[in-house]
Amino acid sequence: QKEVEQNSGPLSVPEGAIASLNCTYSDRGSQSFFWYRQYSGKSPELIMSIYSNGDKEDGRFTAQLNKASQYVSLLIRDSQPSDSATYLCAVKGSGGYNKLIFGAGTRLAVHP
Amino acid sequence: SQTIHQWPATLVQPVGSPLSLECTVEGTSNPNLYWYRQAAGRGLQLLFYSVGIGQISSEVPQNLSASRPQDRQFILSSKKLLLSDSGFYLCAWGGEQFFGPGTRLTVL
Repeated sequence: QKEVEQNSGPLSVPEGAIASLNCTYSDRGSQSFFWYRQYSGKSPELIMSIYSNGDKEDGRFTAQLNKASQYVSLLIRDSQPSDSATYLCAVKGSGGYNKLIFGAGTRLAVHP
Repeated sequence: SQTIHQWPATLVQPVGSPLSLECTVEGTSNPNLYWYRQAAGRGLQLLFYSVGIGQISSEVPQNLSASRPQDRQFILSSKKLLLSDSGFYLCAWGGEQFFGPGTRLTVL
């Protein structure tokens, strides 16, 4: 069974620090990787997508992908209390129909 | 721009009652559409997906069904709700899965 694993947290970081969120996946044929942010009681919001090995930066967010290690991460620089949320990692598997497999999410708490 | 709508936002239903949740997408044609459920404190479970009108694939066998009567309309239904059907129901569209605001269902 294809799986996506995340540490459930909570990951607690002080305001201004770098938050590092990690995700591993089991399907070696996966080609597309996504990070979603979900505030409590709200629906997930896509914040980053990455398709090739290396780093992809967007503002304070950097996604990192290592297909050989089957590992994807999200770095949040200069963390703010408004970044406190659950972060979901999702992987498009090697099957069809654009189905994504989601991890259970890591809860991030940024304290002032 | 594309917009996805879901209604109702919240719903409280007794066990054994029927269910109909609706999702519509604006600003795009022939989108892939998805229904997910998120139980309290849990991850997202894919329930159904559709690549076109009348084309529904079920991921999890259960007492729920889905229909796509129009290109940008996706409906989730049940004839008789169970307690275990409680959760946050999310509709999404597209390969990157942009989510609607969700329906929070409580079955009592």
